[in-house]
Amino acid sequence: QVQLVQSGAEAKNPGASMRVSCKASGYTFSNYDINWVRQAPGLGLEWMGWMDPNSGNTGFAQKFRGRLTMTKNTSIDTAYMELNSLRSEDTAVYFCARVKEAFIGATPFDTWGQGTLVTVSS
Amino acid sequence: SYVLTQPPSVSVAPGQTAKITCGGNNIGDESVHWYQQKPGQAPVLVVYDDSVRPSAIPERFSGSNSGNTATLTISRVEAGDEADYYCQVWDRSGDHPWVFGGGTKLTVL
Repeated sequence: QVQLVQSGAEAKNPGASMRVSCKASGYTFSNYDINWVRQAPGLGLEWMGWMDPNSGNTGFAQKFRGRLTMTKNTSIDTAYMELNSLRSEDTAVYFCARVKEAFIGATPFDTWGQGTLVTVSS
Repeated sequence: SYVLTQPPSVSVAPGQTAKITCGGNNIGDESVHWYQQKPGQAPVLVVYDDSVRPSAIPERFSGSNSGNTATLTISRVEAGDEADYYCQVWDRSGDHPWVFGGGTKLTVL
């Protein structure tokens, strides 16, 4: 079955960087955009950015530009999200999510990873 | 960027109908998607393209979209429907393509 499995929880100091992985299975990884969404404690969903695993093209929400990187390793069907210069406000659960339609980015997210809690604290 | 407005909370008795709204400027011109999120879990797509249900979602879930308001309707509400619900649209005109509403907590009384 289609599945996204994320890396485990992390604790980071302010100013550090984080990297979360998202391993895909059950479908052709390169054919479906991966998006990243985060959720701070007790708050709603916040879209961060997207990546086309085929081309490597990315797009980020304005507030994360300059701090956010998305990469992929197609040989192991894995997407990565890296956020640097972390601050306490970045404490959140980070989700990867696959779009519903192949080769069409503007489709809803039909498969989500289980989420990765990243805690930023000194 | 495009703003989606949801009521923070909706309460309904079991067996009744819950309506969760999502307001946005001319949202009727957009395709609206809805997600259900239970505590500690990832969101689940329950309605997409305004009114289409994924195959695994019960027929009790339906959606509509017109004018400045999209609505998720849950008929014959069950205790297991208690969750947060989020609407989402693709804002093709902005540089922040995907937009989520603030979420609505559905409480089953």
